Amino acid sequence: AQTVTQSQPEMSVQEAETVTLSCTYDTSESNYYLFWYKQPPSRQMILVIRQEAYKQQNATENRFSVNFQKAAKSFSLKISDSQLGDTAMYFCAFMGSQGAQKLVFGQGTRLTINP
Amino acid sequence: EPEVTQTPSHQVTQMGQEVILRCVPISNHLYFYWYRQILGQKVEFLVSFYNNEISEKSEIFDDQFSVERPDGSNFTLKIRSTKLEDSAMYFCASHTTSAGDTQYFGPGTRLTVL
Repeated sequence: AQTVTQSQPEMSVQEAETVTLSCTYDTSESNYYLFWYKQPPSRQMILVIRQEAYKQQNATENRFSVNFQKAAKSFSLKISDSQLGDTAMYFCAFMGSQGAQKLVFGQGTRLTINP
Repeated sequence: EPEVTQTPSHQVTQMGQEVILRCVPISNHLYFYWYRQILGQKVEFLVSFYNNEISEKSEIFDDQFSVERPDGSNFTLKIRSTKLEDSAMYFCASHTTSAGDTQYFGPGTRLTVL
């Protein structure tokens, strides 16, 4: 079974700083998909970024980018020029390419951006 | 932009009562999911649904749970006899047929069992 581990329960940075959230996963599949979801205090789950394992290029969405290291099974999220609105729980998630394609989530990292 | 909707936003019930949580997935999506998040914990997969049948379910999804797509738009989760430990946020999600497609989540239903 796949597992996802986020080793940083909480992080805190100053506004405008860059922050990196860590995520590792375990799978025997060669093709899969990785996601970062943001959960603000409203508890809505919002997609931040998506990576396809067969693509070597790291995904980027505006201030958000990932460092995908397939051999190391690592998928970190970098937030540049952090903003107060980035304060939220961030969940890393894995989706296999076969079967029902359920998401397997990590435990989450609570990120606080301080003014 | 299309979105997944869920009703009610908050449901309070007595232990042993039945509850039905409702979801309207995005209209052209064909895969549907329910996830659960106990307060302060990670999001856990409950069940996936495709072509009017369950395609996968987790250990959490025991006989007290059921899902249904009663018409062309709604997707429901029924808990027959609620327990205190069923108190959680329940999220519905959906996606298209494309492999690895992003799952879009609804805003969630907060279930409180007293």
